[in-house]
Amino acid sequence: AQSVSQHNHHVILSEAASLELGCNYSYGGTVNLFWYVQYPGQHLQLLLKYFSGDPLVKGIKGFEAEFIKSKFSFNLRKPSVQWSDTAEYFCAVNEAFGNEKLTFGTGTRLTIIP
Amino acid sequence: EAGVVQSPRYKIIEKKQPVAFWCNPISGHNTLYWYRQNLGQGPELLIRYENEEAVDDSQLPKDRFSAERLKGVDSTLKIQPAELGDSAVYLCASSPGTSGRAVQETQYFGPGTRLLVL
Repeated sequence: AQSVSQHNHHVILSEAASLELGCNYSYGGTVNLFWYVQYPGQHLQLLLKYFSGDPLVKGIKGFEAEFIKSKFSFNLRKPSVQWSDTAEYFCAVNEAFGNEKLTFGTGTRLTIIP
Repeated sequence: EAGVVQSPRYKIIEKKQPVAFWCNPISGHNTLYWYRQNLGQGPELLIRYENEEAVDDSQLPKDRFSAERLKGVDSTLKIQPAELGDSAVYLCASSPGTSGRAVQETQYFGPGTRLLVL
């Protein structure tokens, strides 16, 4: 069975700092990878996703993620965070040749200090 | 375009009582998902529908949970009887289910129903 690990449970940064949130998965086959974000009081929404091709994926609001197959990782990055990036971030994975069932990590709560 | 609609948003019940949650997916979306999100955890899939057919209910505790999507549009998730451990946020999501590469489709989530069982 798949599992997704997000080791950073709560990250606190100042505005303009650079961000990197870790995501590792355990599955030996081909996977699709997703980052979802939940802003305070809002529903989960897609930030970016990776299926194939260029392992560096760009998403909305200046976020990007890099798939490193050898490390089973899909870390989320942003060069300069804003206060509005305060949210909870979830990494998720499904099997590329399986069903659409998403396995989510436990989430990372990001707090940006103005 | 309206998003995924869920009701109620909050529900407080006593243990052993029944409870039901309703979800209306994005218009035209064939695939519907129910997830449960415990505090401090990510969402976990309970059941997935393709149109009116439940194609993955392996994670649904069938002794007390049931779900239906009779006309392949809106869906209801029921718990009877509720237990203290059922306190969680119940999320509904939908995806088009028409692309031929369903595993790559974005799932669109509703706001969730926060259930508290006392």
